Amino acid sequence: AQSVTQLDSQVPVFEEAPVELRCNYSSSVSVYLFWYVQYPNQGLQLLLKYLSGSTLVKGINGFEAEFNKSQTSFHLRKPSVHISDTAEYFCAVSGMDTGRRALTFGSGTRLQVQP
Amino acid sequence: GAVVSQHPSRVICKSGTSVKIECRSLDFQATTMFWYRQFPKKSLMLMATSNEGSKATYEQGVEKDKFLINHASLTLSTLTVTSAHPEDSSFYICSAIAGAYEQYFGPGTRLTVT
Repeated sequence: AQSVTQLDSQVPVFEEAPVELRCNYSSSVSVYLFWYVQYPNQGLQLLLKYLSGSTLVKGINGFEAEFNKSQTSFHLRKPSVHISDTAEYFCAVSGMDTGRRALTFGSGTRLQVQP
Repeated sequence: GAVVSQHPSRVICKSGTSVKIECRSLDFQATTMFWYRQFPKKSLMLMATSNEGSKATYEQGVEKDKFLINHASLTLSTLTVTSAHPEDSSFYICSAIAGAYEQYFGPGTRLTVT
């Protein structure tokens, strides 16, 4: 079984400031890691994913995340945020077993970018 | 990229009626689709895994007789909420697997039961 913890339910930040959204996970098996963004009343859009290889992954809209196996973390970062980044962000994991590829989501972090 | 559509985007129905939600993969074939439910200001909870040509696999606590899932083709899965009640009001989101691991999500369906 897997679980995902997003410690921050809300993160207020000023425009052009850097931001980090934290994500920790637990799993008894190896996992793939994802970050999704959700705008109001819309589905989820994939920001980035970690499958293997380099632990620093870059995604769309200037976001990046770093996989830290020893700390079981996959924190999302952006060096300079925009108003348009205001949204809900979900960290998720899935097992590498092809028979169990459903995603387990964290509770989400609301990023509120202020002018 | 892969596109997943859902229809309808919003539906309002009366208590006791049934509602069907369609999930389509538009430019790829998906042997596996997932149905999630999202409560206001909450995360997504997996309801069931829909496999083309076979019965869906439901998560613990999800009533399979209430949430009927049919995956009749490689591009279409349907979720029917039978005898809907106000507590079934929610945002329902489907996703489809493209390739080995990447899920693409539909835009969601807002169900309101009055």
